[in-house]
Amino acid sequence: KAGVTQTPRYLIKTRGQQVTLSCSPISGHRSVSWYQQTPGQGLQFLFEYFSETQRNKGNFPGRFSGRQFSNSRSEMNVSTLELGDSALYLCASSSTGTGSNTEAFFGQGTRLTVV
Amino acid sequence: AQSVTQLGSHVSVSEGALVLLRCNYSSSVPPYLFWYVQYPNQGLQLLLKYTSAATLVKGINGFEAEFKKSETSFHLTKPSAHMSDAAEYFCAVRVYSSASKIIFGSGTRLSIRP
Repeated sequence: KAGVTQTPRYLIKTRGQQVTLSCSPISGHRSVSWYQQTPGQGLQFLFEYFSETQRNKGNFPGRFSGRQFSNSRSEMNVSTLELGDSALYLCASSSTGTGSNTEAFFGQGTRLTVV
Repeated sequence: AQSVTQLGSHVSVSEGALVLLRCNYSSSVPPYLFWYVQYPNQGLQLLLKYTSAATLVKGINGFEAEFKKSETSFHLTKPSAHMSDAAEYFCAVRVYSSASKIIFGSGTRLSIRP
């Protein structure tokens, strides 16, 4: 069974540009969550999609958005990039999303560098 | 609100020594707790999870954790450290009202001395 796939693995963008990151969850998983990891703030929850609907959102500005397609693949978009957006962006997939002990499986992440 | 606190941002042990990584949680409801490991330039891998079935939880790679309600702790241990255990470890709690929102601790970097 294939794991969570994130593309691209590395990305360099210029301030003011926008970027789209992609995540393909484990087959059969309908919940996809996104996290931002930085040395200063650690791992922070961005948002979660379940069956194409955003179900949860963290405390990030509106420049951060996402969507989920009918095949459960998800994209995350960051507009008007700032230097502080440089981070490792992790995607996690879960099965049905119900039950608080449902474990999340993480991808290898996309390392975004804003210059 | 639910949260976890990891004590010690960096722990260094000798190869073969006991590994103890500390985690305390805050939750007004029975928590669902996890330990994840992250190797350099990699994503997170689940080591083990507590789901109230048993207080002593065994995970992969010889790690285990004990849930102690009286101490609100969920410390991670391994009897004998191996060089390959060098990584960053995160304690985490799943937010009760949300199936997929996980709150992570700040992480503990484990170094192994030869």
